[in-house]
Amino acid sequence: DVKVTQSSRYLVKRTGEKVFLECVQDMDHENMFWYRQDPGLGLRLIYFSYDVKMKEKGDIPEGYSVSREKKERFSLILESASTNQTSMYLCASRTGTGVPYNEQFFGPGTRLTVL
Amino acid sequence: LAKTTQPISMDSYEGQEVNITCSHNNIATNDYITWYQQFPSQGPRFIIQGYKTKVTNEVASLFIPADRKSSTLSLPRVSLSDTAVYYCLVGESPSGNTPLVFGKGTRLSVIA
Repeated sequence: DVKVTQSSRYLVKRTGEKVFLECVQDMDHENMFWYRQDPGLGLRLIYFSYDVKMKEKGDIPEGYSVSREKKERFSLILESASTNQTSMYLCASRTGTGVPYNEQFFGPGTRLTVL
Repeated sequence: LAKTTQPISMDSYEGQEVNITCSHNNIATNDYITWYQQFPSQGPRFIIQGYKTKVTNEVASLFIPADRKSSTLSLPRVSLSDTAVYYCLVGESPSGNTPLVFGKGTRLSVIA
């Protein structure tokens, strides 16, 4: 069974802390994504990566960075957490080829609270 | 990327068929239409994808007219467990590096 795991379901951090959210997939997928989800705003893409060491900005990259040193792992980094980064963070992965082409597999999400 | 428009919310009684229509006027030749379902406190999951005409699986049916400017997700005989947010997405193929754009989706509430 395909699997995307995220390091924590719930996380509480303080303003100014550096925060790491880890995502691991076991499907040998080329593409990986980080989204955040807020009430009334749907899912918004933060960053994505289509290969190891490659990264592309999504719609809302400000305040975030990412790292992809290995194919199976994609990390989201909040350099200095702020209260407006309190949100649900969702990681996803997807193969770069094949049908159903658009099938993205999501992790369970990390609910981050920044105090 | 083609933009999609779908209703913000819908209500239905248990046992009824639910049809959610999505508009995508600027769909491109290589685009597929995909629907995702998201339950509370979970990530979205893929439910169905199509290119044209009709696609059916164990969960839903997807109807796409010839001009492909809209599509309709059909859920037969819904139950309370179908209460979720449903997202319509349009994405390119065969390029593998274009991310999907999730809008706000349609919040379906099934009532007993």
